[in-house]
Amino acid sequence: KQEVTQIPAALSVPEGENLVLNCSFTDSAIYNLQWFRQDPGKGLTSLLLIQSSQREQTSGRLNASLDKSSGRSTLYIAASQPGDSATYLCAVLGGGADGLTFGKGTHLIIQP
Amino acid sequence: SAVISQKPSRDICQRGTSLTIQCQVDSQVTMMFWYRQQPGQSLTLIATANQGSEATYESGFVIDKFPISRPNLTFSTLTVSNMSPEDSSIYLCSVEDIRQFEAFFGQGTRLTVV
Repeated sequence: KQEVTQIPAALSVPEGENLVLNCSFTDSAIYNLQWFRQDPGKGLTSLLLIQSSQREQTSGRLNASLDKSSGRSTLYIAASQPGDSATYLCAVLGGGADGLTFGKGTHLIIQP
Repeated sequence: SAVISQKPSRDICQRGTSLTIQCQVDSQVTMMFWYRQQPGQSLTLIATANQGSEATYESGFVIDKFPISRPNLTFSTLTVSNMSPEDSSIYLCSVEDIRQFEAFFGQGTRLTVV
């Protein structure tokens, strides 16, 4: 059974810092990996999607990498802003493409 | 990307009653997914709903408790039956883009059972 782990569980940094969120998964037979953002009491917003054949994806200040063989992904946030404060979730789609397995998330606070 | 609308956005229900959550997508999709997010926890897949067939439930979830309908390619409902306080969660509907299997989510239904 696939398990997804996110480290750290929580992170608080001053505005302007660059930061890295980590995600690991136990079964490397994935179809893709997706990073989401969740604001309190809200649904999920898709940030980046990395297919299993890709190594990284970029969107604005966000960069996500994937090392499928070692079961790891990182989300890099450059020049953090208070508006980046949210919970960041990592999820993998198995080879059967039948629903995502989520990590527990990293709760991020960017201090003004 | 797909736009997903969920209703209701939140509700407070009495124990022993049932609530039906609606999910409407702005395009036709083959598979729709229902997830649960318990307080302070991450998302757990409840079931996969395909049009024209019975939903497929994950371990720990049963049809009698969470009946699902999928009458067409743009709509699905999830019913939470005979509710107890332990059912208090956010319930989310999701679809996957058929080309890249990118997942999109509705805004969720925050359910509180008292």
